[in-house]
Amino acid sequence: AQKITQTQPGMFVQEKEAVTLDCTYDTSDPSYGLFWYKQPSSGEMIFLIYQGSYDQQNATEGRYSLNFQKARKSANLVISASQLGDSAMYFCAMREGDQAGTALIFGKGTTLSVSS
Amino acid sequence: EAGVAQSPRYKIIEKRQSVAFWCNPISGHATLYWYQQILGQGPKLLIQFQNNGVVDDSQLPKDRFSAERLKGVDSTLKIQPAKLEDSAVYLCASSFFSGGLNTGELFFGEGSRLTVL
Repeated sequence: AQKITQTQPGMFVQEKEAVTLDCTYDTSDPSYGLFWYKQPSSGEMIFLIYQGSYDQQNATEGRYSLNFQKARKSANLVISASQLGDSAMYFCAMREGDQAGTALIFGKGTTLSVSS
Repeated sequence: EAGVAQSPRYKIIEKRQSVAFWCNPISGHATLYWYQQILGQGPKLLIQFQNNGVVDDSQLPKDRFSAERLKGVDSTLKIQPAKLEDSAVYLCASSFFSGGLNTGELFFGEGSRLTVL
């Protein structure tokens, strides 16, 4: 079974609008971490936001927020006020366990296109 | 702070030839990862090092892929002989291992894009 599922191959949004990128995960470990990375056409993976499984509040970082619904095992990324520079691939990833230094498992990604 | 360095950025080879990729992690990062990213897919872990020891190489095709991190700093990933399906971007990442709870964020290099003809 897929550990990380991203069902939207591509999403389109206009500048200044908000967009939600979906991510569901599957783990039996009670401790885990969820990450979102951005990959522009240049290829580098850029860390955006992190949510720990025991965090009570949804994570936020500037225009990025993570809508964490533990019971549904979903960790959707919300980008508010989209900008042209947000056009990129977005990957959801999971670390099983609570130790740093554990490899991340990635989903297949969602391509976001922002138009003016 | 310098980021993760990788070279070469691009490499084109014929099938059955060999290729090597180099990675220098962020200073002080004990954990180093090699991921393979095939076009249109997410990165897949090939091998993980903790200092100079292998933590996980379960998804490394060991008949053709090898990797080492001899002094616990930089690392080399080798493919010999290459197959067409090895065409991908090879991403190196590093993380700080504190032994305790932190985010465990991975820091990635720009990747090495391999084309096998």
